Amino acid sequence: DARVTQTPRHKVTEMGQEVTMRCQPILGHNTVFWYRQTMMQGLELLAYFRNRAPLDDSGMPKDRFSAEMPDATLATLKIQPSEPRDSAVYFCASGSPGLAGRTDTQYFGPGTRLTVL
Amino acid sequence: SQQGEEDPQALSIQEGENATMNCSYKTSINNLQWYRQNSGRGLVHLILIRSNEREKHSGRLRVTLDTSKKSSSLLITASRAADTASYFCATLRGDSSYKLIFGSGTRLLVRP
Repeated sequence: DARVTQTPRHKVTEMGQEVTMRCQPILGHNTVFWYRQTMMQGLELLAYFRNRAPLDDSGMPKDRFSAEMPDATLATLKIQPSEPRDSAVYFCASGSPGLAGRTDTQYFGPGTRLTVL
Repeated sequence: SQQGEEDPQALSIQEGENATMNCSYKTSINNLQWYRQNSGRGLVHLILIRSNEREKHSGRLRVTLDTSKKSSSLLITASRAADTASYFCATLRGDSSYKLIFGSGTRLLVRP
């Protein structure tokens, strides 16, 4: 049963350290999304990729966050340097645009719970 | 601010009862979707209703959409303890092909 996988599931790190989160989208999906979920802000879109190209990263703090897709089976989200306010659950989702070019349904991974001390 | 706002924020019902959650949004949409999130898990897509549809059913789920009022409701009939989760509405705006805007969610507790 196809699903999005994310690693690690939990990460505790100290302020200033680099954090890398990985995502394997569902095979055949060509859109990938990164979200951040916090109690205060809810679910926020950080980045959107289509065919491995970053099309929207307007939700991402540019100075410390970066997102890439080295290949079709791997998406990464890096934070360097990390700060306590980055503590959140980070979700990756993938999808496949329909005929109208819209990605109607997104399939979410289990998330990476990040704690920055 | 978020496109979708859910009401109520929390709902506690007895198993077997129906649960109704509401969602309001602000701009024109392509479609509106409902997702479920179990504690500590990712979101699971439940149902999608397009802007030209008024009602949709899937199993024990019934979704309505009123574009004139910019609102939607999700009805879960004959609830089960396993339905305990947070439920989010998400809207795909009319001017976007991908950007889902999620509401703040309704936490549903179904008591056995």
